[in-house]
Amino acid sequence: KAGVTQTPRYLIKTRGQQVTLSCSPISGHRSVSWYQQTPGQGLQFLFEYFSETQRNKGNFPGRFSGRQFSNSRSEMNVSTLELGDSALYLCASSLATGNSYTDTQYFGPGTRLTVL
Amino acid sequence: ILNVEQSPQSLHVQEGDSTNFTCSFPSSNFYALHWYRWETAKSPEALFVMTLNGDEKKKGRISATLNTKEGYSYLYIKGSQPEDSATYLCAFPSSASKIIFGSGTRLSIRP
Repeated sequence: KAGVTQTPRYLIKTRGQQVTLSCSPISGHRSVSWYQQTPGQGLQFLFEYFSETQRNKGNFPGRFSGRQFSNSRSEMNVSTLELGDSALYLCASSLATGNSYTDTQYFGPGTRLTVL
Repeated sequence: ILNVEQSPQSLHVQEGDSTNFTCSFPSSNFYALHWYRWETAKSPEALFVMTLNGDEKKKGRISATLNTKEGYSYLYIKGSQPEDSATYLCAFPSSASKIIFGSGTRLSIRP
């Protein structure tokens, strides 16, 4: 079974630009979550999508948005990029069974975004 | 604000030695606790899911215990090997779809 894939793997943008990152979950997984990791920080939760709906959102500004398609693939968009947005962005998929608290998250390799 | 803390931040261990580290989490509204291993240049990989009714979890030389009353979990590695070098993360689901990760314990094994 193919794992979680993310594209692109590396990206360089300049301040003020916008960027779209893509995540394809494991086949059959219905939930996709996005995380940001910056140096010295743990994984910070961005948002989670389930059945094309945002189920929960972390404490990030509105410049960060996402969506999920009917095939469970998800995209994350960051508008008006700032230097502080430079980070590793990970997506994770899970089966989203009845007990979501015990669902294991399967992570993709991440997209490393550098904002100049 | 819910806090998930891991200690120590980093650890250097001689090959063959055993080691352990801690994850502290809010003891109220506990649902589960997850442990992940994150090797350099790879994706985080799930190790254990600890639940209210769970006993000690074990996977090879790695095991984990849980104390929900006092809000901590220990991860133990017996007879450390170079391939154990990684960052170990714990994750606390604060709601059904929002997970809070600790900042991790970076483990380095000296040959």
